[in-house]
Amino acid sequence: GAVVSQHPSRVICKSGTSVKIECRSLDFQATTMFWYRQFPKQSLMLMATSNEGSKATYEQGVEKDKFLINHASLTLSTLTVTSAHPEDSSFYICSATGTSGYDEQFFGPGTRLTVL
Amino acid sequence: EDKVVQSPLSLVVHEGDTVTLNCSYEVTNFRSLLWYKQEKKAPTFLFMLTSSGIEKKSGRLSSILDKKELFSILNITATQTGDSAIYLCAAFERSARQLTFGSGTQLTVLP
Repeated sequence: GAVVSQHPSRVICKSGTSVKIECRSLDFQATTMFWYRQFPKQSLMLMATSNEGSKATYEQGVEKDKFLINHASLTLSTLTVTSAHPEDSSFYICSATGTSGYDEQFFGPGTRLTVL
Repeated sequence: EDKVVQSPLSLVVHEGDTVTLNCSYEVTNFRSLLWYKQEKKAPTFLFMLTSSGIEKKSGRLSSILDKKELFSILNITATQTGDSAIYLCAAFERSARQLTFGSGTQLTVLP
């Protein structure tokens, strides 16, 4: 099956700093990548959808200036949490769909962000 | 607004029991329903269902979709402690190509 990686798997940072999370499709070209956030004991909440080479589409309530998404190539998307605060602490998961148009999303292993 | 509802929210059983997890959905431009298993990290894919009435099986797991009544079930027979996880269902919306997730069912299998 298709493999999606995320880096880093875990990050701890101080309040006010910015954190970049990378999501890569390792063996396929991902035309669309999705970023989700998951709080403890809750389901995945879609934050934004990004298509290669175009601006991301953010879900209602997600601040695009705070969560910067770049999808510069067919294998890489990045999420930057700017000026992170403790309430941004969460599990961030990316997923990707391929060019074949299949519905299945392939999930990365997730990044645990802790903001002190 | 698209909505996916799972029940029960949590379930505790003993090894060897059979469980049925439920998922109902209201999604405009529905295309498919997906089931995922989530342990400590990100969800792993179980099934994708696009047609009504066709059961998909993988070992002790099976799933079926009813597009008329807008629901799906996931069955796990002869449960094992390794089946303990959160089971998520998600409906795929055709035009936006987005998944809407349910809240998940936390399954705990006791030895």
